[in-house]
Amino acid sequence: NAGVTQTPKFQVLKTGQSMTLQCAQDMNHNSMYWYRQDPGMGLRLIYYSASEGTTDKGEVPNGYNVSRLNKREFSLRLESAAPSQTSVYFCASSVAGGPLETQYFGPGTRLLVL
Amino acid sequence: GQQVMQIPQYQHVQEGEDFTTYCNSSTTLSNIQWYKQRPGGHPVFLIQLVKSGEVKKQKRLTFQFGEAKKNSSLHITATQTTDVGTYFCAGTRATDSWGKFQFGAGTQVVVTP
Repeated sequence: NAGVTQTPKFQVLKTGQSMTLQCAQDMNHNSMYWYRQDPGMGLRLIYYSASEGTTDKGEVPNGYNVSRLNKREFSLRLESAAPSQTSVYFCASSVAGGPLETQYFGPGTRLLVL
Repeated sequence: GQQVMQIPQYQHVQEGEDFTTYCNSSTTLSNIQWYKQRPGGHPVFLIQLVKSGEVKKQKRLTFQFGEAKKNSSLHITATQTTDVGTYFCAGTRATDSWGKFQFGAGTQVVVTP
C-alpha cells in the first residue's frame, strides 16, 4: 500500500495563478483532510471530508476550494494564488473521522507563491 | 487563534539528557494525540490519550494527560539523535461533535551528540 500520496511535491506559482493539489489514499478510509503548515503555526485545518460526498470548512478555508472526487481522492484548489498561501500542504486520511481516529499524512506539497 | 499551546517552541538537548514538552489547551479536550515530524518529513502518529490522568509509555517516551483533560506532556529520557524532529500535540475539543483536531505549534527538538 502506498498510503497517502500527494502531487505535486513542489510548485512555484505567480500571484493570481490557479492550481489544484491532488491527494489520494489506498487505505479505504472514509475521512480526508487538508492542512497547511507554516513556521511557528503548526498544522491548521483548511477543509475536511467526513465521508464521500461531504466536505466542510476547517479553521482557514478562505481562498481554497475542495472536491471529494470519490472515496480515494480529495483535491484542494487555489483559484487565485496569493503570497500568503505560500506554505506546505499536507493531506491526511483516517478510517472514520471521529476524534479517536489516527490520521495518516501524505508527504506534503511545498508551494511558493511569488 | 490557536487554542492548543505547546512549550517550549525549541528544545536543544545534549544526547543522553532528559527533556519534557508541554501541551496546554484553553478548553477541555476529548482526547489528545501526539505526532512526530522528522525534518523534511510528514507528521507520524505516536500515541493517543483519552482518559483523565492517563499515562502511557513507549520505550523512552512517557505521555501524560492531565486530570482536567486540558493539558498533556511528553517526556523523553536518555535522548538519542533519532529523537530529532518536531513533536506536535493535537486535541479534539469536548464540545466538538466530530474529530476536528487543533494542533499545537510543535516543539522542535535538536539533539547534540
